[in-house]
Amino acid sequence: NAGVTQTPKFQVLKTGQSMTLQCAQDMNHNSMYWYRQDPGMGLRLIYYSASEGTTDKGEVPNGYNVSRLNKREFSLRLESAAPSQTSVYFCASSLGQGLNGYTFGSGTRLTVV
Amino acid sequence: AQTVTQSQPEMSVQEAETVTLSCTYDTSESDYYLFWYKQPPSRQMILVIRQEAYKQQNATENRFSVNFQKAAKSFSLKISDSQLGDAAMYFCAYRASGNKLVFGAGTILRVKS
Repeated sequence: NAGVTQTPKFQVLKTGQSMTLQCAQDMNHNSMYWYRQDPGMGLRLIYYSASEGTTDKGEVPNGYNVSRLNKREFSLRLESAAPSQTSVYFCASSLGQGLNGYTFGSGTRLTVV
Repeated sequence: AQTVTQSQPEMSVQEAETVTLSCTYDTSESDYYLFWYKQPPSRQMILVIRQEAYKQQNATENRFSVNFQKAAKSFSLKISDSQLGDAAMYFCAYRASGNKLVFGAGTILRVKS
C-alpha cells in the first residue's frame, strides 16, 4: 500500500513564483491535512479538509490555498512564494475523527530564494 | 486554544538504558486523545503510541510506554532498553476539536553507543 504520496520531495523556487504541492492517499480516508514543519516550532496546521468538498483554515493559512479535488487528493498552492515559506511540508490523512492519529506523507522540502 | 509544550529540546541516552521525554498540554476538554510521533532522519512521521484520556491505564507498545497524568496535564514517553534506531525527533501531539492534531516543538533524542 502506498499510503500518503506527496510530490515533489524537493523544490527550489524564486520569490514570487507559484507552485502546487500534490498529495494523494489510497486508504479511503475522509480527512486530509497540510502541515508545515519549521525548526523549534513543531508542525503547524495550514489547512485541512474534513471531507470531500470542504476545506478549512488552520493555524497558519496566509499565503496558501488548497483544493480537495476528490476524496483521494488534496493539493496545496503557493500563489506567490516568499522566503518565509521555506519549510518542510507534510500532507496527512485520517479515517473518521482521527482517533487513531494520522498517516503522513514523506514531506516536501521547499526552499524559496 | 490547546497548546502542547515539550520542554526538552534535546536528550541523550546510552544504548540499553531508559529515557523519558516530557510533554505537557493545555486543554479544557475532558475527553481527548494524545499521541507520540517519531521522526527519524528520513523525515517520515511514525506513530509510536496513543493514549485515550478517559482510560486510566497507561498505554504501552513494546519498549515504549507513557506516564499519563490527567490532572497535571502531563503525557511523558518512556523508552526502555534504548536502541540506536530510536535516535530521532519525537513529537507529542494532542487531538483538538475538529479532529486536528496540535503538535509540540519536538525533542531530539540522541542514542550513544
